[in-house]
Amino acid sequence: AQKITQTQPGMFVQEKEAVTLDCTYDTSDQSYGLFWYKQPSSGEMIFLIYQGSYDEQNATEGRYSLNFQKARKSANLVISASQLGDSAMYFCAMREGRSNFGNEKLTFGTGTRLTIIP
Amino acid sequence: DAGITQSPRHKVTETGTPVTLRCHQTENHRYMYWYRQDPGHGLRLIHYSYGVKDTDKGEVSDGYSVSRSKTEDFLLTLESATSSQTSVYFCAIRTAGPDGLEQYFGPGTRLTVT
Repeated sequence: AQKITQTQPGMFVQEKEAVTLDCTYDTSDQSYGLFWYKQPSSGEMIFLIYQGSYDEQNATEGRYSLNFQKARKSANLVISASQLGDSAMYFCAMREGRSNFGNEKLTFGTGTRLTIIP
Repeated sequence: DAGITQSPRHKVTETGTPVTLRCHQTENHRYMYWYRQDPGHGLRLIHYSYGVKDTDKGEVSDGYSVSRSKTEDFLLTLESATSSQTSVYFCAIRTAGPDGLEQYFGPGTRLTVT
């Protein structure tokens, strides 16, 4: 079973509109973390936002927010007021468990390609 | 910028040849990771390190080995490259920032095995 599922392979959104990128996850751990990364056409992986499983508030970072619905096991990324520079691949990832050994590796989804239309 | 560099950035090699990719970090992070990125698979963990000479396997470790003799360098070696190892390879470090255990990535190495 997929641990991270991103069901939208591609999305087209008008500039200045808000966009929601879907991510569902599967874990039996009580402690886990959820991440979103952006990969523009230049190829680098850019960390956007993090949500811990025990965090009661949804994470926000500027125009990015993470809509965390624990019971539904979803962690959708919301981008407000989209800009042309938001066009990129977006990856959802999960870290399971807690460890002091660095082996809390990330599991990635297959990504969503977002295109912002002027 | 987490101070991570990767070398080479691009490499074309022939099947059966050995290849070593280097990840270098300047901020003394203890934990380092190697991932590969392929279409339809996202990123998958190859190997990781939790200290000098301390390494362990990830989910796609077959055909790869790693070494870490210094904190700042984490090497990924393909002993005998195959076409299935054509991929983009990312190195990452882990920080313990206020937002949690975040991983930051290097710029990537595009490897083509012909």
